[in-house]
Amino acid sequence: DTEVTQTPKHLVMGMTNKKSLKCEQHMGHRAMYWYKQKAKKPPELMFVYSYEKLSINESVPSRFSPECPNSSLLNLHLHALQPEDSALYLCASSPFSGNEQFFGPGTRLTVL
Amino acid sequence: DQQVKQNSPSLSVQEGRISILNCDYTNSMFDYFLWYKKYPAEGPTFLISISSIKDKNEDGRFTVFLNKSAKHLSLHIVPSQPGDSAVYFCAASAQGGGADGLTFGKGTHLIIQP
Repeated sequence: DTEVTQTPKHLVMGMTNKKSLKCEQHMGHRAMYWYKQKAKKPPELMFVYSYEKLSINESVPSRFSPECPNSSLLNLHLHALQPEDSALYLCASSPFSGNEQFFGPGTRLTVL
Repeated sequence: DQQVKQNSPSLSVQEGRISILNCDYTNSMFDYFLWYKKYPAEGPTFLISISSIKDKNEDGRFTVFLNKSAKHLSLHIVPSQPGDSAVYFCAASAQGGGADGLTFGKGTHLIIQP
């Protein structure tokens, strides 16, 4: 299995909802990442997990809460989001000793 | 302050010719560089990478050149094919190890004309 999967593909939520994005990889990668991409912009790093521990948080608002239950899974819990949080949320993974990051297809999030 | 710059938002190339995409960086700590290809509504697909200890890396139709003194890299695609039409992102990381996030340029939209 050489891919990163993300669910759901699309998500529409209100500002008072709580939802979660899921990411999974079975390549044995020990680093996993969340990126946010707005239209016509490059992906921007949000969080990095190394060996299931949060190693980088790029000053992301607390309404985004990451979780890494095990080495194959990465979640992003969403609560009280704003319309400006609407974006494509990308998950990626990489071997700890390598540099290539492999991306999932993303979750298109719309906050109403 | 943009640390990775792709100054051409778009590039149009005839099918069969060479496509050259350029990227500049400002952070001297970057030691690994990658190119990704992205179609709309999909995640970026890894194409090719190069370590700062090399100046060239080739994989099939794709070649990446690195000029460290100029802090410049380029991606050559030859021959260009219609399926190459996509947005290409240059990305960089510092200190290797795979545990750092990538810093991306804004992307270049490559259009291959028949």
